[in-house]
Amino acid sequence: AQSVTQLGSHVSVSEGALVLLRCNYSSSVPPYLFWYVQYPNQGLQLLLKYTSAATLVKGINGFEAEFKKSETSFHLTKPSAHTSDAAEYFCAVSDRSASKIIFGSGTRLSIRP
Amino acid sequence: KAGVTQTPRYLIKTRGQQVTLSCSPISGHRSVSWYQQTPGQGLQFLFEYFSETQRNKGNFPGRFSGRQFSNSRSEMNVSTLELGDSALYLCASSLQSGTGGYEQYFGPGTRLTVT
Repeated sequence: AQSVTQLGSHVSVSEGALVLLRCNYSSSVPPYLFWYVQYPNQGLQLLLKYTSAATLVKGINGFEAEFKKSETSFHLTKPSAHTSDAAEYFCAVSDRSASKIIFGSGTRLSIRP
Repeated sequence: KAGVTQTPRYLIKTRGQQVTLSCSPISGHRSVSWYQQTPGQGLQFLFEYFSETQRNKGNFPGRFSGRQFSNSRSEMNVSTLELGDSALYLCASSLQSGTGGYEQYFGPGTRLTVT
């Protein structure tokens, strides 16, 4: 069985500050890991994915995430927050078939001016 | 390349009715997945179709069903609607290739309201 835990349902940072969104996963098989972003009244957009190549994954909009097997973590970071980053972020896990993706409960990111 | 399209975007139904939602995947994508998103339960996997076959299924009652056509377009059906079925239904398509093309691309969703 696979699961994802996102720590913090709401994170607030100042514009220009570091963004850190936490994600821990559980998987009995080597996982694929994803971060998606959802803006209000829209579908989900893929930010980045880990598929067992490099453990440090760079995505769109300046985001990156590091796969740490020993900590079963896949935290999302961005060095400098922008007001346009305000959205809901979802961490997700799947097995290597990726036919079923399990999502975390989401973290809403707010940016203070 | 056009993205995933879902129709209709908004729908209002009455309890006991049934509804059919449609999803057209990105051209060339053979896998289509469906998710239900609610404030209380978050994003929950409904089912996934690949080459017209249901390959995986989530923990939803039999009232929820789906199918995929030879052109990869997919429909999901919910019969005997309940108030709790009010949700955003998201469809996602995937290339499902060995070159790492396993990420899913999501449509804008269909907002279903059951009254």
